[in-house]
Amino acid sequence: EAGVAQSPRYKIIEKRQSVAFWCNPISGHATLYWYQQILGQGPKLLIQFQNNGVVDDSQLPKDRFSAERLKGVDSTLKIQPAKLEDSAVYLCASSLASRTGIGTEAFFGQGTRLTVV
Amino acid sequence: EDKVVQSPLSLVVHEGDTVTLNCSYEVTNFRSLLWYKQEKKAPTFLFMLTSSGIEKKSGRLSSILDKKELFSILNITATQTGDSAVYLCAPRDNYGQNFVFGPGTRLSVLP
Repeated sequence: EAGVAQSPRYKIIEKRQSVAFWCNPISGHATLYWYQQILGQGPKLLIQFQNNGVVDDSQLPKDRFSAERLKGVDSTLKIQPAKLEDSAVYLCASSLASRTGIGTEAFFGQGTRLTVV
Repeated sequence: EDKVVQSPLSLVVHEGDTVTLNCSYEVTNFRSLLWYKQEKKAPTFLFMLTSSGIEKKSGRLSSILDKKELFSILNITATQTGDSAVYLCAPRDNYGQNFVFGPGTRLSVLP
């Protein structure tokens, strides 16, 4: 079974530039998450999709971050314009839709390490 | 606001030692708690705990949940250098949807 695919693996940009990350979840996984992980911290949820609908984007800085999941499969996360504090690893994860309320485990991609200079 | 505390934040041991990692949480609508191991970038799944007092085991790793006292522990016996990683605790809330990650415990196992 193929895992969660993310690209690019690394990206270096200057502040005020824009950048986009791509994620392809595990086939059949309805739930897709984007996390931001700053060095030394745990992952922080940015946005969660169920199929192509947004479930939670309460921590997404909407003035500069945007995400979409067209057709309920692939997803793109964009930052425009980038700030120095956006330097982090951006992790995409996917899981099966929960039917019981308990949920299932999420599987993570390798992440994209973003450096803003 | 949901809160997850992990302790210790950092731990250095020698091969063969046994370690206990702690996770306490306050989340609304708690449903389950997951443990992940993060070696480089991608966290990998270890355990999902849903019921109090039932230990889950996988080789040298085991974990248990106490829903009354709102904490979980992860034990690793006979540690090996390959166990060196950050261990993340993630309770789920909101009817099994959202993960709330703790800061992680960085474990270093020396030969």
